[in-house]
Amino acid sequence: SAVISQKPSRDICQRGTSLTIQCQVDSQVTMMFWYRQQPGQSLTLIATANQGSEATYESGFVIDKFPISRPNLTFSTLTVSNMSPEDSSIYLCSVGPSGGQETQYFGPGTRLLVL
Amino acid sequence: AQKITQTQPGMFVQEKEAVTLDCTYDTSDPSYGLFWYKQPSSGEMIFLIYQGSYDQQNATEGRYSLNFQKARKSANLVISASQLGDSAMYFCAMREGPPRADGLTFGKGTHLIIQP
Repeated sequence: SAVISQKPSRDICQRGTSLTIQCQVDSQVTMMFWYRQQPGQSLTLIATANQGSEATYESGFVIDKFPISRPNLTFSTLTVSNMSPEDSSIYLCSVGPSGGQETQYFGPGTRLLVL
Repeated sequence: AQKITQTQPGMFVQEKEAVTLDCTYDTSDPSYGLFWYKQPSSGEMIFLIYQGSYDQQNATEGRYSLNFQKARKSANLVISASQLGDSAMYFCAMREGPPRADGLTFGKGTHLIIQP
């Protein structure tokens, strides 16, 4: 299975600022995904990030608020822009299947608190 | 309508008993995949088991098995011989469309507590 790391692991930010979250994978993967888990809630897909193309955003998420980069097959960033307390969540990246196994593996998550 | 429904917000089970966590899904796509994840209090998402819509047999992974009833659109997770370390949130999720193509839609989860 892929080994995924995220930076930072947690942060406390002031409203109105922006935070960029990094996701690094130990192998090349075609598809990377970004999810949000609000406190006490389930996971919601924010966007799909494929290398060499614009990210595809789910309903309710827009590029201006959550710009995503995918410069190569092992790395992606998600920026949470102009943050408000409602953005306090865990943000997780995941990678699509590699090799023969059909699954999606998740990074450890970034715990964000916006004051 | 919800695409993934988990009707058990919480469950208490005695150690060593078998556990069944319910999951029903809704899709009109003939190709889809169903996943179960475990999220302990530490927060990481641990992949447990996968079932493809065209798979003929129910998936099994160690103590985990998936009771896939396609006509009823259910994909229940069965944990045999539960252990204290099984206490966690469990999420059912679905990928619609061909394999490797898309992100997942998650259910609201079931909080499982194993009692000694």
